[in-house]
Amino acid sequence: DVKVTQSSRYLVKRTGEKVFLECVQDMDHENMFWYRQDPGLGLRLIYFSYDVKMKEKGDIPEGYSVSREKKERFSLILESASTNQTSMYLCASSLEFSGANVLTFGAGSRLTVL
Amino acid sequence: AQKITQTQPGMFVQEKEAVTLDCTYDTSDQSYGLFWYKQPSSGEMIFLIYQGSYDEQNATEGRYSLNFQKARKSANLVISASQLGDSAMYFCAMREVTGNQFYFGTGTSLTVIP
Repeated sequence: DVKVTQSSRYLVKRTGEKVFLECVQDMDHENMFWYRQDPGLGLRLIYFSYDVKMKEKGDIPEGYSVSREKKERFSLILESASTNQTSMYLCASSLEFSGANVLTFGAGSRLTVL
Repeated sequence: AQKITQTQPGMFVQEKEAVTLDCTYDTSDQSYGLFWYKQPSSGEMIFLIYQGSYDEQNATEGRYSLNFQKARKSANLVISASQLGDSAMYFCAMREVTGNQFYFGTGTSLTVIP
């Protein structure tokens, strides 16, 4: 089974802090994604990466950056956390588009910014 | 324009009854995939079912079936014989061959009543 592991399940940070959310997948997937989930808004794509050192902005990249130095690891960085970034963050990975290559998710990281 | 629209924020169904969760999509690609995910209160995203745009038969997976109407651009999820464990958020998603992204709807919260 594909496993996507997010390093922290729950985090509490202060406004202005730098926050790192780590995600590791173990099935050699090319594509990795960071989503933000808020009630009533569904899942919104922050950034995705289709290869090492490659990244593409999603729908809501403002206030976030990402890093993909190794194929299995995709990090989401909040340079200066703000209260409106309090949310559930979901990492996911998939193979290239071909048939039913599904998106496999991690367990999520619930971030609270005070 | 929204790529995926789920118009039912909340649904109730009696245990053992069938329920249909609506999903419409918007794409100009000829090749795309449609997915349904379940998110229980624990927060994990569980893949349920996939339909490819070229598949002529509706997809089925156990008690789940996808009612695919290509001309109407709809991909409704049908859950037969509802169980209490089906109570969860359900998300419809689409992946286009161009862009390689997954787009999600805002979700439908299903409650199964004993």
